[in-house]
Amino acid sequence: KQEVTQIPAALSVPEGENLVLNCSFTDSAIYNLQWFRQDPGKGLTSLLLIQSSQREQTSGRLNASLDKSSGRSTLYIAASQPGDSATYLCAVIVSSGNTGKLIFGQGTTLQVKP
Amino acid sequence: EPEVTQTPSHQVTQMGQEVILRCVPISNHLYFYWYRQILGQKVEFLVSFYNNEISEKSEIFDDQFSVERPDGSNFTLKIRSTKLEDSAMYFCASRRQGFGYTFGSGTRLTVV
Repeated sequence: KQEVTQIPAALSVPEGENLVLNCSFTDSAIYNLQWFRQDPGKGLTSLLLIQSSQREQTSGRLNASLDKSSGRSTLYIAASQPGDSATYLCAVIVSSGNTGKLIFGQGTTLQVKP
Repeated sequence: EPEVTQTPSHQVTQMGQEVILRCVPISNHLYFYWYRQILGQKVEFLVSFYNNEISEKSEIFDDQFSVERPDGSNFTLKIRSTKLEDSAMYFCASRRQGFGYTFGSGTRLTVV
């Protein structure tokens, strides 16, 4: 059974710092991996999608990497800002068929202090 | 940017009542999903829907739950007889083959 774990559970950094959020999964047979942002009481905003054949994806100050063989992904946030404060969720897509369901980690709650 | 739209944003219902949560997926997406998040817990899969039928459901999705795509644009989740433990945020999502998920902003269901 696929399990997704995110470390750390919470992180507090001063504004301007670069930081790395970690995600690990137990079964390397994934289809894709997607990072989301969730603000308190709100929905999920997609940040980056990494196809299983890719090693990384970049969007602005965000860079996500994927190492399927070791069951790991990282989300790198450069020059953090207070507006980056949110919970970041990692999720793996476990099949390519008519389901393609997501299995989520528990998230890393980030606080960026001005 | 296309969005997944969910209504209502918040619903309060009495235990034992039926509720219908509504979603309008992105128009050219073919795969539709419901997920839920109990406060403080992980987001968890409920059901996937493709080609007008359920393609997979979780053990949570028992006989009290049903989904429907009544008119080619809406996608609904019905809970027939709500329990206190059904209180959660319910998210609708859709996607195209080979692409990532787009989630709606959620419906917060409170069962009292």
